[in-house]
Amino acid sequence: GNSVTQMEGPVTLSEEAFLTINCTYTATGYPSLFWYVQYPGEGLQLLLKATKADDKGSNKGFEATYRKETTSFHLEKGSVQVSDSAVYFCALSENGNSWGKLQFGAGTQVVVTP
Amino acid sequence: DAGITQSPRYKITETGRQVTLMCHQTWSHSYMFWYRQDLGHGLRLIYYSAAADITDKGEVPDGYVVSRSKTENFPLTLESATRSQTSVYFCASSTPVLNEQFFGPGTRLTVL
Repeated sequence: GNSVTQMEGPVTLSEEAFLTINCTYTATGYPSLFWYVQYPGEGLQLLLKATKADDKGSNKGFEATYRKETTSFHLEKGSVQVSDSAVYFCALSENGNSWGKLQFGAGTQVVVTP
Repeated sequence: DAGITQSPRYKITETGRQVTLMCHQTWSHSYMFWYRQDLGHGLRLIYYSAAADITDKGEVPDGYVVSRSKTENFPLTLESATRSQTSVYFCASSTPVLNEQFFGPGTRLTVL
């Protein structure tokens, strides 16, 4: 079946540091890939998405590229802020649509210190 | 209020009791979902619904019951709560038009 594997956290960074969160997946067919973010005490919000190989999703300074050859969708941000402290979830949709069922990774907590 | 709401936000119950978690959305989205969030597991799908009166099992449906008589409501019932059902529960809704899932704020359930 499908699965999503993320690097374990917590990841602790200083403000303005570079952030990378690794995500790899196993899926049949051509899934769409997503990053969701959960701020403390809140529900999840879609951060970015990519629907086909080599697509790059970007939002709020975050980027991730859909790499079919390595089955990866790593999240990066060049200069993090304290407000980026959150839990980040990588997810896939096996039917390619984000309005359908999603398979989530375990989540990676990011803590950014001043 | 517009959006997706969940109630209660916090609930403590005892083993064997029936508990119902409510989810309400004001967008008339056709799809609705229930997930549970546990440390080390991320979010796992319990049940989902493609439309009123249409529901289907997700990855971890055992011990849960859902119904959807109206498009805007999708209650989740634990018929006889167990300690392993202690978790944070998230409801979500979506529509093919927007191609995105929208999540509620969550319900933290503790079963003693």
